[in-house]
Amino acid sequence: NAGVTQTPKFQVLKTGQSMTLQCAQDMNHNSMYWYRQDPGMGLRLIYYSASEGTTDKGEVPNGYNVSRLNKREFSLRLESAAPSQTSVYFCATLDRSSYNSPLHFGNGTRLTVT
Amino acid sequence: AQKITQTQPGMFVQEKEAVTLDCTYDTSDPSYGLFWYKQPSSGEMIFLIYQGSYDQQNATEGRYSLNFQKARKSANLVISASQLGDSAMYFCAMREVSNNNDMRFGAGTRLTVKP
Repeated sequence: NAGVTQTPKFQVLKTGQSMTLQCAQDMNHNSMYWYRQDPGMGLRLIYYSASEGTTDKGEVPNGYNVSRLNKREFSLRLESAAPSQTSVYFCATLDRSSYNSPLHFGNGTRLTVT
Repeated sequence: AQKITQTQPGMFVQEKEAVTLDCTYDTSDPSYGLFWYKQPSSGEMIFLIYQGSYDQQNATEGRYSLNFQKARKSANLVISASQLGDSAMYFCAMREVSNNNDMRFGAGTRLTVKP
Protein backbone atom coordinates (compact mmCIF):
# COMPACT_ATOMS: atom_id res chain seq x y z
CA ASN A 1 0.00 0.00 0.00
CA ALA A 2 2.92 2.33 -0.75
CA GLY A 3 1.21 4.77 -3.16
CA VAL A 4 3.93 7.02 -4.62
CA THR A 5 7.52 6.35 -3.59
CA GLN A 6 10.38 8.77 -4.18
CA THR A 7 14.07 8.11 -3.74
CA PRO A 8 16.26 9.47 -2.33
CA LYS A 9 14.72 11.51 0.48
CA PHE A 10 17.72 13.83 0.75
CA GLN A 11 20.62 14.63 -1.56
CA VAL A 12 23.49 17.09 -1.57
CA LEU A 13 25.25 17.79 -4.87
CA LYS A 14 28.10 19.99 -5.94
CA THR A 15 27.57 22.36 -8.83
CA GLY A 16 27.96 20.50 -12.10
CA GLN A 17 27.22 17.05 -10.74
CA SER A 18 24.39 14.98 -12.15
CA MET A 19 21.77 12.84 -10.49
CA THR A 20 18.46 11.12 -11.11
CA LEU A 21 15.45 11.32 -8.83
CA GLN A 22 13.35 8.20 -8.93
CA CYS A 23 9.59 7.89 -8.62
CA ALA A 24 7.50 4.74 -8.61
CA GLN A 25 3.76 4.29 -8.12
CA ASP A 26 1.49 1.37 -7.48
CA MET A 27 -1.76 3.27 -7.97
CA ASN A 28 -2.16 2.26 -11.62
CA HIS A 29 -2.51 5.90 -12.67
CA ASN A 30 -1.62 6.87 -16.21
CA SER A 31 -0.39 10.39 -15.49
CA MET A 32 2.71 11.28 -13.53
CA TYR A 33 4.22 14.64 -12.64
CA TRP A 34 7.33 16.28 -11.27
CA TYR A 35 7.00 19.49 -9.26
CA ARG A 36 9.49 21.62 -7.41
CA GLN A 37 8.62 23.56 -4.27
CA ASP A 38 10.40 26.76 -3.34
CA PRO A 39 9.55 29.12 -0.47
CA GLY A 40 6.98 31.71 -1.45
CA MET A 41 6.39 30.14 -4.86
CA GLY A 42 4.22 27.14 -4.17
CA LEU A 43 4.64 24.11 -6.38
CA ARG A 44 5.72 24.57 -9.97
CA LEU A 45 5.37 21.90 -12.63
CA ILE A 46 8.63 20.77 -14.21
CA TYR A 47 7.54 17.92 -16.49
CA TYR A 48 4.63 15.57 -16.75
CA SER A 49 3.77 12.33 -18.49
CA ALA A 50 0.16 11.90 -19.51
CA SER A 51 0.71 8.22 -20.25
CA GLU A 52 3.44 5.69 -20.75
CA GLY A 53 5.65 6.75 -23.64
CA THR A 54 4.81 10.45 -23.54
CA THR A 55 6.39 13.37 -21.70
CA ASP A 56 5.77 17.11 -21.87
CA LYS A 57 7.30 20.23 -20.46
CA GLY A 58 5.63 22.11 -17.65
CA GLU A 59 6.22 25.59 -16.31
CA VAL A 60 9.93 25.29 -15.39
CA PRO A 61 11.60 22.53 -17.47
CA ASN A 62 15.00 24.11 -18.10
CA GLY A 63 17.88 22.12 -16.64
CA TYR A 64 15.88 18.91 -16.31
CA ASN A 65 15.12 15.80 -18.31
CA VAL A 66 12.63 13.05 -17.62
CA SER A 67 12.06 9.44 -18.55
CA ARG A 68 8.82 7.52 -18.30
CA LEU A 69 10.34 4.09 -18.03
CA ASN A 70 7.03 2.24 -17.82
CA LYS A 71 3.61 2.87 -16.34
CA ARG A 72 4.95 2.69 -12.80
CA GLU A 73 8.14 4.73 -13.02
CA PHE A 74 8.93 8.34 -13.89
CA SER A 75 12.42 9.69 -13.28
CA LEU A 76 13.79 13.23 -13.22
CA ARG A 77 17.39 13.88 -14.20
CA LEU A 78 19.60 16.86 -13.48
CA GLU A 79 22.46 16.69 -15.96
CA SER A 80 24.54 19.51 -14.48
CA ALA A 81 23.19 20.69 -11.17
CA ALA A 82 23.11 24.41 -10.34
CA PRO A 83 22.49 26.14 -6.98
CA SER A 84 19.19 27.45 -8.43
CA GLN A 85 17.99 23.86 -8.48
CA THR A 86 18.14 23.64 -4.70
CA SER A 87 14.55 22.78 -3.88
CA VAL A 88 12.15 20.13 -2.67
CA TYR A 89 11.02 17.89 -5.51
CA PHE A 90 7.69 16.10 -5.52
CA CYS A 91 6.48 13.36 -7.77
CA ALA A 92 2.73 12.96 -8.15
CA THR A 93 0.24 10.79 -9.97
CA LEU A 94 -3.25 11.43 -11.28
CA ASP A 95 -6.23 9.38 -12.31
CA ARG A 96 -7.34 11.44 -15.32
CA SER A 97 -10.49 9.43 -15.84
CA SER A 98 -12.23 11.58 -13.23
CA TYR A 99 -12.08 15.39 -13.13
CA ASN A 100 -12.39 15.51 -9.37
CA SER A 101 -9.40 13.26 -8.80
CA PRO A 102 -6.66 14.93 -6.80
CA LEU A 103 -2.96 14.55 -7.34
CA HIS A 104 -1.37 11.87 -5.17
CA PHE A 105 2.06 12.93 -3.98
CA GLY A 106 5.21 11.19 -2.89
CA ASN A 107 6.96 12.39 0.24
CA GLY A 108 9.42 14.56 -1.62
CA THR A 109 13.18 14.75 -2.19
CA ARG A 110 15.09 17.59 -0.57
CA LEU A 111 17.97 18.54 -2.88
CA THR A 112 20.74 20.96 -2.00
CA VAL A 113 23.24 22.08 -4.64
CA THR A 114 26.36 23.79 -3.27
CA ALA B 1 -2.69 30.82 -18.62
CA GLN B 2 -4.27 29.81 -15.39
CA LYS B 3 -3.15 31.57 -12.29
CA ILE B 4 -3.79 30.99 -8.60
CA THR B 5 -3.35 33.73 -6.01
CA GLN B 6 -3.13 33.26 -2.28
CA THR B 7 -2.66 36.68 -0.77
CA GLN B 8 -2.07 35.66 2.85
CA PRO B 9 1.50 34.44 3.40
CA GLY B 10 0.71 33.76 7.05
CA MET B 11 -2.38 33.53 9.25
CA PHE B 12 -2.92 33.03 12.96
CA VAL B 13 -6.03 31.63 14.59
CA GLN B 14 -6.96 30.78 18.15
CA GLU B 15 -7.67 27.15 18.88
CA LYS B 16 -11.36 26.24 18.46
CA GLU B 17 -12.06 29.28 16.30
CA ALA B 18 -12.83 29.27 12.58
CA VAL B 19 -10.42 30.61 9.97
CA THR B 20 -10.74 31.45 6.28
CA LEU B 21 -7.85 31.06 3.86
CA ASP B 22 -8.23 33.04 0.67
CA CYS B 23 -7.75 31.82 -2.88
CA THR B 24 -8.54 33.57 -6.14
CA TYR B 25 -7.99 32.17 -9.58
CA ASP B 26 -7.96 33.23 -13.16
CA THR B 27 -9.15 31.08 -16.03
CA SER B 28 -11.06 31.41 -19.28
CA ASP B 29 -12.11 27.77 -19.22
CA PRO B 30 -15.72 27.37 -18.00
CA SER B 31 -14.92 23.88 -16.73
CA TYR B 32 -12.35 23.50 -14.00
CA GLY B 33 -11.71 22.00 -10.62
CA LEU B 34 -10.33 23.61 -7.49
CA PHE B 35 -8.36 21.69 -4.89
CA TRP B 36 -6.95 22.44 -1.47
CA TYR B 37 -3.94 20.66 0.00
CA LYS B 38 -2.39 20.73 3.46
CA GLN B 39 1.33 20.40 4.00
CA PRO B 40 2.32 19.87 7.66
CA SER B 41 5.87 20.42 8.85
CA SER B 42 6.67 16.81 8.02
CA GLY B 43 6.40 17.80 4.36
CA GLU B 44 3.82 15.49 2.82
CA MET B 45 1.02 16.88 0.68
CA ILE B 46 -2.44 15.95 1.92
CA PHE B 47 -5.53 16.47 -0.24
CA LEU B 48 -8.36 18.15 1.69
CA ILE B 49 -11.25 19.15 -0.52
CA TYR B 50 -12.43 19.56 -4.12
CA GLN B 51 -14.87 21.96 -5.80
CA GLY B 52 -15.98 21.65 -9.41
CA SER B 53 -16.89 24.74 -11.39
CA TYR B 54 -20.37 23.40 -12.11
CA ASP B 55 -21.07 22.20 -8.58
CA GLN B 56 -24.19 23.90 -7.27
CA GLN B 57 -23.27 23.61 -3.63
CA ASN B 58 -20.15 24.48 -1.72
CA ALA B 59 -18.01 21.45 -0.95
CA THR B 60 -17.65 20.24 2.62
CA GLU B 61 -15.42 17.60 4.18
CA GLY B 62 -15.67 17.35 7.93
CA ARG B 63 -14.30 20.59 9.42
CA TYR B 64 -13.28 21.84 5.98
CA SER B 65 -15.62 23.73 3.70
CA LEU B 66 -15.11 25.72 0.57
CA ASN B 67 -16.67 29.15 0.11
CA PHE B 68 -16.96 29.08 -3.68
CA GLN B 69 -17.92 32.37 -5.36
CA LYS B 70 -17.72 31.67 -9.06
CA ALA B 71 -18.44 35.19 -10.29
CA ARG B 72 -15.64 36.55 -8.12
CA LYS B 73 -13.38 33.61 -9.03
CA SER B 74 -12.66 32.85 -5.42
CA ALA B 75 -12.51 29.53 -3.59
CA ASN B 76 -11.74 30.22 0.04
CA LEU B 77 -11.07 27.39 2.45
CA VAL B 78 -12.89 27.58 5.79
CA ILE B 79 -11.58 25.52 8.68
CA SER B 80 -14.00 25.35 11.59
CA ALA B 81 -13.07 24.64 15.21
CA SER B 82 -9.34 24.92 14.58
CA GLN B 83 -7.05 22.39 16.23
CA LEU B 84 -3.35 22.60 16.98
CA GLY B 85 -2.79 19.93 14.33
CA ASP B 86 -4.17 22.29 11.69
CA SER B 87 -0.96 24.31 11.84
CA ALA B 88 0.53 23.80 8.37
CA MET B 89 0.97 25.26 4.90
CA TYR B 90 -2.18 25.27 2.81
CA PHE B 91 -2.16 25.34 -0.97
CA CYS B 92 -4.94 26.12 -3.39
CA ALA B 93 -4.71 24.53 -6.84
CA MET B 94 -6.71 24.45 -10.05
CA ARG B 95 -7.00 22.12 -12.99
CA GLU B 96 -8.76 23.18 -16.17
CA VAL B 97 -10.74 20.56 -18.09
CA SER B 98 -9.29 21.87 -21.36
CA ASN B 99 -5.81 21.34 -19.95
CA ASN B 100 -6.40 18.28 -17.88
CA ASN B 101 -2.74 17.49 -17.54
CA ASP B 102 -1.78 20.63 -15.74
CA MET B 103 -2.55 21.46 -12.10
CA ARG B 104 -1.28 24.85 -10.98
CA PHE B 105 -0.72 25.85 -7.37
CA GLY B 106 -0.81 29.06 -5.41
CA ALA B 107 2.10 30.20 -3.27
CA GLY B 108 0.46 28.91 -0.12
CA THR B 109 -0.62 30.24 3.28
CA ARG B 110 1.08 29.24 6.50
CA LEU B 111 -1.53 28.76 9.22
CA THR B 112 -0.55 28.79 12.86
CA VAL B 113 -3.08 27.71 15.47
CA LYS B 114 -2.48 29.24 18.90
CA PRO B 115 -3.45 27.36 22.07
